[in-house]
Amino acid sequence: EAGVTQFPSHSVIEKGQTVTLRCDPISGHDNLYWYRRVMGKEIKFLLHFVKESKQDESGMPNNRFLAERTGGTYSTLKVQPAELEDSGVYFCASSLRTITYEQYFGPGTRLTVT
Amino acid sequence: EDQVTQSPEALRLQEGESSSLNCSYTVSGLRGLFWYRQDPGKGPEFLFTLYSAGEEKEKERLKATLTKKESFLHITAPKPEDSATYLCAAMNEAGNNRKLIWGLGTSLAVNP
Repeated sequence: EAGVTQFPSHSVIEKGQTVTLRCDPISGHDNLYWYRRVMGKEIKFLLHFVKESKQDESGMPNNRFLAERTGGTYSTLKVQPAELEDSGVYFCASSLRTITYEQYFGPGTRLTVT
Repeated sequence: EDQVTQSPEALRLQEGESSSLNCSYTVSGLRGLFWYRQDPGKGPEFLFTLYSAGEEKEKERLKATLTKKESFLHITAPKPEDSATYLCAAMNEAGNNRKLIWGLGTSLAVNP
């Protein structure tokens, strides 16, 4: 069974540019989560999808971040325009059921904004 | 404010030298305490979930325990392949939403 995949693995962009991160969850997992880890700090929750619906987006930093999950399969996270403080590693995770809570993580996308 | 604190930040052990990692938490409406392992350049890998005080879970050389204030990850006779960062996360419940609150992790190095 394929795990959670993320693309790209690394992205270097200039301040003001746009970047789109993609996450493909484990097949059949309705729950999809986005997290971010800024250097030197703990992993922080960004948002949670159940199928194509946003269950909780309370962790999204501001309106420069837009997450979508069309059709309830893969998800994208767009940052527009990117700022220096957006640099970090963005992780995606998926789980089969919300109740069991076991989340399986992708390898992450390392975003560097210069 | 919900918070998870892990100690020590880093730990170096000799192969076979047992030790414990600590995760203390202050989380309202705790719905589970999670342990993950993370290797460099990879995402966190799920190890255990503990749901109530007194619960214990084991996997190979690892055993996780939970009290009302903290969790321990005991490593018995570690091997070099156990070297990794171990992350603790607490799941809280706010209304209908649940999210993971993470600690900074403990970086474990096991020397042969």
